[in-house]
Amino acid sequence: EVQLVQSGAEVKKPGESLKISCKGSGYSFTSYWIGWVRQMPGKGLEWMGIIYPGDSDTRYSPSFQGQVTISADKSISTAYLQWSSLKASDTAMYYCARHEGDLRSQNAFDIWGQGTMVTVSS
Amino acid sequence: SYVLTQPPSVSVAPGKTARITCGGNNIGSKSVHWYQQKPGQAPVLVIYYDSDRPSGIPERFSGSNSGNTATLTISRVEAGDEADYYCQVWDSSSDHPGVVFGGGTKLTVL
Repeated sequence: EVQLVQSGAEVKKPGESLKISCKGSGYSFTSYWIGWVRQMPGKGLEWMGIIYPGDSDTRYSPSFQGQVTISADKSISTAYLQWSSLKASDTAMYYCARHEGDLRSQNAFDIWGQGTMVTVSS
Repeated sequence: SYVLTQPPSVSVAPGKTARITCGGNNIGSKSVHWYQQKPGQAPVLVIYYDSDRPSGIPERFSGSNSGNTATLTISRVEAGDEADYYCQVWDSSSDHPGVVFGGGTKLTVL
C-alpha cells in the first residue's frame, strides 16, 4: 500500500526548534516530489514548499522561504520540515503530500499523510 | 501572485446536484485539481487534471474547466459528501512558480 506516515503531534514553546517527519512506503520514494502544506486552525490549505528526494532539489513558497527548512533522507525514505525558532503563529496542522512527475507536469498531490499537529504555546 | 476564488459555502439537498466553482484569471489554461477534506481528516484527491477521477472516487464526481472558471460537480449528492472542497493549480507565470490553493468551499447537505 502506498502511504505517507507522519510523526506525531508536538507541543512546543516559542523559540524552540522542531523537526517533523513524513515517511513514504509502498513506492519509489526518490521518484516523486514531496510537498508540505499548512492548515491553521479553522482555515484553508497553504502550500509551503516541495522537495525531490532523489536529488534534494527544493522549492519554497515566498511566504515560507526563510521561515522553515525542507529536507529529505532518501536512505530512509523520509522527508522533513523544520523550524529553528517557533512562534505561536506556527500553530497548525502540517501535511505532507506526494506529487508525481516533473513539476512542469502540474500534477496533483495524489497521496497525503495523516497530518502532524504542531502547537506552540508558552 | 495567482489567486483562486471559491464561494465560502454551498448548500444542496440530498439527491440533487452540487456545483462548486473556482475562479481565476484564464484558469482554463491551467490544470485544476480538487480535494475533499472531511472534518479531522487529511485532504483526498477527487479530481485531477480538470476532469479525471482517481480510482475509488465515485462517478458522481466530475470536473470541468474553461475560461476563468473551473467547476467541481457532484451529482446525486449524499450526506457523506458533506466536506470542505479545495481547488488547486500550479502557477508558473510568476517569478516564484508554485502551488496555489483556493480558499475552500464548505459543502452542506441539507
